[in-house]
Amino acid sequence: KQEVTQIPAALSVPEGENLVLNCSFTDSAIYNLQWFRQDPGKGLTSLLLIQSSQREQTSGRLNASLDKSSGRSTLYIAASQPGDSATYLCAGASGGSYIPTFGRGTSLIVHP
Amino acid sequence: EAEVAQSPRYKITEKSQAVAFWCDPISGHATLYWYRQILGQGPELLVQFQDESVVDDSQLPKDRFSAERLKGVDSTLKIQPAELGDSAMYLCASSLGSSSPLHFGNGTRLTVT
Repeated sequence: KQEVTQIPAALSVPEGENLVLNCSFTDSAIYNLQWFRQDPGKGLTSLLLIQSSQREQTSGRLNASLDKSSGRSTLYIAASQPGDSATYLCAGASGGSYIPTFGRGTSLIVHP
Repeated sequence: EAEVAQSPRYKITEKSQAVAFWCDPISGHATLYWYRQILGQGPELLVQFQDESVVDDSQLPKDRFSAERLKGVDSTLKIQPAELGDSAMYLCASSLGSSSPLHFGNGTRLTVT
């Protein structure tokens, strides 16, 4: 059974800093890895999806990488802004039904 | 941009009562998921549908929870009877397929008193 861990659980940084969020998974036979953003009391918004055949995906200031051999994915946020404050979750899809399994998330605060 | 619709947005109910949540996925999305998210934790899968068929409901507490997607479009999740421990956010998501991104609705926040 896939298990997903996210470190750190919480992060507070000053505006403008570049930062890295980490996601690790136990089943290297992962089909894809997706990063989400969740604002308080809201649903999840998809940020980036990396297929197992890919190494990274980029969207604006966000870059996500996938290393199946080490069971790790990272989300890099460049030049962080207060509007980036949210909880970031990763989900790895594996198994015969390709069910996405979520980590507990990293709560990010970017202060002015 | 098309969205996943969920209702109600909030629900307060007493324990032992029945509750139902509704989800309308993005048009054309064959795969539909119901997740439960307890505050401070990641979402946990309750049930996955492919069209009208259940793909996985291994984590669904079937003694009190039921889910259906009769025509392969919208879906209903029911709890009867509700327990205090059912208080959580219930999230619906849909996708075109296993290689496509998940799109989530805004969820239903359930409080059981």
